[in-house]
Amino acid sequence: DAGITQSPRYKITETGRQVTLMCHQTWSHSYMFWYRQDLGHGLRLIYYSAAADITDKGEVPDGYVVSRSKTENFPLTLESATRSQTSVYFCASSDPGRVGETQYFGPGTRLLVL
Amino acid sequence: AQSVTQLGSHVSVSEGALVLLRCNYSSSVPPYLFWYVQYPNQGLQLLLKYTSAATLVKGINGFEAEFKKSETSFHLTKPSAHMSDAAEYFCAVSEDPSNTGKLIFGQGTTLQVKP
Repeated sequence: DAGITQSPRYKITETGRQVTLMCHQTWSHSYMFWYRQDLGHGLRLIYYSAAADITDKGEVPDGYVVSRSKTENFPLTLESATRSQTSVYFCASSDPGRVGETQYFGPGTRLLVL
Repeated sequence: AQSVTQLGSHVSVSEGALVLLRCNYSSSVPPYLFWYVQYPNQGLQLLLKYTSAATLVKGINGFEAEFKKSETSFHLTKPSAHMSDAAEYFCAVSEDPSNTGKLIFGQGTTLQVKP
């Protein structure tokens, strides 16, 4: 009954450090998405995945890496964090990713890069 | 390319007044349109969606939206605002025909409800 969860919920890190944000869903949805939310920009897609081992870039992929070895997990890694990556990050999933299918969102991770 | 424009980043209404949040889209193919709501410190929750069935779509919490192809609009309305409606609202369009399920979001509109 957990749905989609994200961890950590809050993270403070320093410039240059590697950070991994976790996303886990219990519905076995095939599609998963990572967005960042910034004032004035709404939500922008970073990466998405159609299935395990299938990922693709979204609108703002630079500086981020994703993997999806298992259907239920979709971690997002900032290889060398920059201040411009301070944001709120949302993970979402949908099934089966058809046009018009609802995306379900996690609670978000607030990341501050100092 | 598809895009979404939400007119007005902030809308303020009195409790009991009509809520109208505007959304216009750009799409070269029949769109699928969504309204999501985000309460403080929470993720996004689906309010309603249009998927080419009835043009007037009813959602949760008394909200509804009407798809108007001639105006390329999908405005969100509620007859009487409640304090609990204060939140940020996002309009989104589904990217088609690539069939990836990706959504393109508007910039969001913050709804303030005054007592």
